[in-house]
Amino acid sequence: LAKTTQPISMDSYEGQEVNITCSHNNIATNDYITWYQQFPSQGPRFIIQGYKTKVTNEVASLFIPADRKSSTLSLPRVSLSDTAVYYCLVGDRGTALIFGKGTTLSVSS
Amino acid sequence: ETGVTQSPTHLIKTRGQQVTLRCSSQSGHNTVSWYQQALGQGPQFIFQYYREEENGRGNFPPRFSGLQFPNYSSELNVNALELDDSALYLCASSLKGTDGVEQYFGPGTRLTVT
Repeated sequence: LAKTTQPISMDSYEGQEVNITCSHNNIATNDYITWYQQFPSQGPRFIIQGYKTKVTNEVASLFIPADRKSSTLSLPRVSLSDTAVYYCLVGDRGTALIFGKGTTLSVSS
Repeated sequence: ETGVTQSPTHLIKTRGQQVTLRCSSQSGHNTVSWYQQALGQGPQFIFQYYREEENGRGNFPPRFSGLQFPNYSSELNVNALELDDSALYLCASSLKGTDGVEQYFGPGTRLTVT
């Protein structure tokens, strides 16, 4: 299973764009990149998933370079409610999710 | 469409006891996965059930067992509780066999072992 590396924590201010980069050097051909968000005492919530290039939904964008050895989650104009832990996961779709420690994002006013 | 629900919300048990946690999957989902999340850590995969059969297991001892019922709801059983079993237990449902592999998590059961 591909291991992921992401920053332990990040700080931002309301209204700023936040980019969280995840490294996954050993990603396999069948692996997808998925990001989850988790608030305290709640279950993780799916944010976005991609295989290559760029994926965008109403919440975030996911940028994946051609070599797929890293990915960047972009959150546009964050608010206080975006304060949470963000997990980058790499794996074949349908298999167990392997979580690391995630990135704790703190948004201040 | 109802989401994933778990019961109970909180539970306090004594070391050596047994516990059963319950999960109702999202309507239409046929797969349930269970995770253990210790304080400050990411969720750790325990096992997955697909159509009432275990379909993958993480690095957890046999005293962690499960069931999935015909309606796709599920139970997690833990025997001989240890202090380190204190954690948030999460269940997630998904629909295997399609391109939709997003897992939908419940709110979790907070287990405290004293």
